[in-house]
Amino acid sequence: GEDVEQSLFLSVREGDSSVINCTYTDSSSTYLYWYKQEPGAGLQLLTYIFSNMDMKQDQRLTVLLNKKDKHLSLRIADTQTGDSAIYFCAEKEDSSYKLIFGSGTRLLVRP
Amino acid sequence: DVKVTQSSRYLVKRTGEKVFLECVQDMDHENMFWYRQDPGLGLRLIYFSYDVKMKEKGDIPEGYSVSREKKERFSLILESASTNQTSMYLCASSLDQEDSTDTQYFGPGTRLTVL
Repeated sequence: GEDVEQSLFLSVREGDSSVINCTYTDSSSTYLYWYKQEPGAGLQLLTYIFSNMDMKQDQRLTVLLNKKDKHLSLRIADTQTGDSAIYFCAEKEDSSYKLIFGSGTRLLVRP
Repeated sequence: DVKVTQSSRYLVKRTGEKVFLECVQDMDHENMFWYRQDPGLGLRLIYFSYDVKMKEKGDIPEGYSVSREKKERFSLILESASTNQTSMYLCASSLDQEDSTDTQYFGPGTRLTVL
């Protein structure tokens, strides 16, 4: 079945780059998403990438997709304390309503 | 801006009680979803609805039911709450499958504790 895996925790210094990784199993996934959850809040869509793309950049965020290895990463440049949150990777098939979420990576940004 | 609201941020109930969690979206979205979020398990889909009065089971529907009488409102019902249903419950909505990304927008969540 489908499965999305992420490491549970990442700690970086303020100003450094953060890289959050995700692997997925469903080769028919069409869209891959990154969501951010701040403490006590719901999930906020950060960005998404279509499966025929290798890279997408949006200001400080860069998404890289290696479709062969089914590996997705989110790079946050110049990480700030406000970036401390849980980041979820999710995949979706084109013909499905369902999102399959990873367990989330907690990012801690140290001053 | 899409707005998804949930009726309560925090809820404490006793075992055996009937519990209603309400979710409202204001963007005329077709699809609505209920997830539960538990540490280390990510988000798991309980039920979703693609139209009024239409519903489909997600991955963990046992112990839950849903109701969608109006397009903007999707209710999650715990007929007889149990302690293993203590969790964070997140509601989401999305426009339609025809929307190529079909992005889901989330509410702030309801943290339910069952004693």
